[in-house]
Amino acid sequence: EMQLVESGGGLVQPGGSLRLSCVASEFIFTNYGLHWVRQAPGKGPEHVSAVSTNGDITYYASSVKGRFTISRDNPKNTLYLQMGSLRPEDTAVYYCASDAFHTWGQGTKVTVSS
Amino acid sequence: QSALTQPPSASGSPGQSVTISCTGTSSDVGGYKLVSWYQQHPGKAPKLMIYEVSERPSGVPDRFSGSRSGNTASLTVSGLRAEDEADYYCSSYAGSNNYIFGTGTQVTVL
Repeated sequence: EMQLVESGGGLVQPGGSLRLSCVASEFIFTNYGLHWVRQAPGKGPEHVSAVSTNGDITYYASSVKGRFTISRDNPKNTLYLQMGSLRPEDTAVYYCASDAFHTWGQGTKVTVSS
Repeated sequence: QSALTQPPSASGSPGQSVTISCTGTSSDVGGYKLVSWYQQHPGKAPKLMIYEVSERPSGVPDRFSGSRSGNTASLTVSGLRAEDEADYYCSSYAGSNNYIFGTGTQVTVL
């Protein structure tokens, strides 16, 4: 069964940076586009970013464009989200998900606060 | 783009059916056969229950069904059980690699 495990969340001050990782197992990593989805406390999910199978096509929500960078390392079966210029409104649980959101990780919590 | 619109809550007694709506536009729900539904229990990740409007992933009970009419998609849970009590979200492809999620519906089993 496909598995995704996120890490890298934590408490960061406004304006700071953080890199999230998502390690995949039990599936052919290079066959799937991947997504980052976040969910602020008490809110619905928000599609943040996506990357194609070989990394050449990316998508960013307008709320993070220019501040976040998605990338993937296929030999390491790992997806990344480099987050910069963080704002309090970026506080959320961040999930990685497989193509068409069939599989989700357990999430990693990011808190942006002074 | 705005979130898809769902009713905040829905409820039913065990064994009954409950239907949740998800309203978008012709640029998302009505324009692509890529509407999905997710179940989320407190503190857990969302779980895919329906994809491509009406398809069920393996392991999801056939008590869960999806449909679409125009710009509104629906999820029906038949034969309600206590474990169906959760938040439910819809999502739709909206073009240019963008997906939009719904506002969420809290389902209560009375």
